[in-house]
Amino acid sequence: AQSVTQLDSQVPVFEEAPVELRCNYSSSVSVYLFWYVQYPNQGLQLLLKYLSGSTLVKGINGFEAEFNKSQTSFHLRKPSVHISDTAEYFCAVSDSGSQGNLIFGKGTKLSVKP
Amino acid sequence: GAGVSQSPSNKVTEKGKDVELRCDPISGHTALYWYRQSLGQGLEFLIYFQGNSAPDKSGLPSDRFSAERTGGSVSTLTIQRTQQEDSAVYLCASSRGRTAQQFFGPGTRLTVL
Repeated sequence: AQSVTQLDSQVPVFEEAPVELRCNYSSSVSVYLFWYVQYPNQGLQLLLKYLSGSTLVKGINGFEAEFNKSQTSFHLRKPSVHISDTAEYFCAVSDSGSQGNLIFGKGTKLSVKP
Repeated sequence: GAGVSQSPSNKVTEKGKDVELRCDPISGHTALYWYRQSLGQGLEFLIYFQGNSAPDKSGLPSDRFSAERTGGSVSTLTIQRTQQEDSAVYLCASSRGRTAQQFFGPGTRLTVL
C-alpha cells in the first residue's frame, strides 16, 4: 500500500521569497506523483504531475517539482511566491498499475505574507 | 466547457437520516472517483467507477456508504443512517482514464448534527 507524508502542516513565508513544500511517499510499486492546490473556498486544481520521463516537472503558476526515486521524494518549489499563492497544497500518489485512485498527504497550508 | 458539478453544495442533516449526494462528471469522462475530505483524516479515496465495469469500493468506510453510476454518467453517493463522524466535504472527480488528469468538483459539505 502507498502512503504520502507531507512533513510541514503550515509554511509561512514572505512575498517574493522562495518556498519548498516537502513530500515523501512510500510504495513497493511504481507510482505516479501529483501536486494539487486548493485555494480558499475552492475545489482542488492540478498543479503538476510526474508519470515518467524527466524527473523535473514544471507546472502552472511557476511551480516545479523534482522526483527523486532514491529518496522517495517529490518536493514542490517556487523561486518567488506571491500573495495569491496562499492556499493549501496536497501531494498525492497513485499506483501506476491501478485504476488511478489518489492517495493524498495531509496537506500543507502555505501562507504568504506581504 | 462545463466542469464537474456536484449537488447540493451544502447539506445539513440529523443523525440517523439518509442522504444522497450527486455528481455530474465532465462529458466523455469514463472514470469517476469519490473522495472525502475531513479534518481528522484529510483526503480519502472512497470509490471508483470505470465505464461499465464493477466499481472499486475498497475505500468505503462502512456498509452504510454506497454509490451508483447510472448510464456511465451521473453518480450518486448514498449514506444511510448518518453519523456525526460522516461530517466532511465529499468530492467527486472525473477523468478520461486512469492515468489522465482528474478534474475535481467543488464538493458537497455534509454536516451531521
